[in-house]
Amino acid sequence: QFQLVQSGAEVKKSGASVQVSCRTSGYTFTSHNINWVRQAPGQGLEWMGWISPSDGFTASSQTLQGRVTLTTDASTSTAYLELRNLGSDDTAVYYCARESSHSGSFDFWGQGTLVTVSS
Amino acid sequence: QSVLTQPPSVSGAPGQRVTISCTGSSSNIGTGYDVHWYQQLPGMVPTLLVYGNTNRPSGVPDRFSGSKSGTSASLVITGLQAEDEAIYYCQSYDSTLNVVFGGGTTLTVL
Repeated sequence: QFQLVQSGAEVKKSGASVQVSCRTSGYTFTSHNINWVRQAPGQGLEWMGWISPSDGFTASSQTLQGRVTLTTDASTSTAYLELRNLGSDDTAVYYCARESSHSGSFDFWGQGTLVTVSS
Repeated sequence: QSVLTQPPSVSGAPGQRVTISCTGSSSNIGTGYDVHWYQQLPGMVPTLLVYGNTNRPSGVPDRFSGSKSGTSASLVITGLQAEDEAIYYCQSYDSTLNVVFGGGTTLTVL
């Protein structure tokens, strides 16, 4: 079965950077885009960006103001999210999600990674 | 403020039918982009509920149905069950093909 397994919880200071990994298995990694979505405590879902593992093309939300970098490692079928210059409003659960090549919907999700930013 | 507008909450008694709306604009849903729906049970990861406006993934009961018209979409849940208590999110795309979500609707089964 398809699996997306994310790295563990992180605690960071304001101004620091964080990297979250998303290791996939059970399907051809390069056949599906990976999207990143975050959810602040008690809040809704916020799309952050996506990456195509086949060619490395990325797009990200303008609200992140260029603080995000999305990468992949096809040799390990892993996607990475790096978020720089963290602030308290970046405290959230970060999810990776596989994008269906048929519909564009997010058909499988990672378990989530809690990132806590403290001052 | 979310790009797609959903009611913050809806409720219904077991066995009843509820509708959750998702209102967009000519810049997103109205452009013809598909709408997808996700269910997030308490404390859990979101899961895909409806894709491509009207389609259910394998395993999703046919009590859940989606539709789209113009600049809006709807999720209808019939035969409400206690296990349906969750937050429901709609998702579409904007004119730059960026993903947009609704703010989420909390369903309470009375």
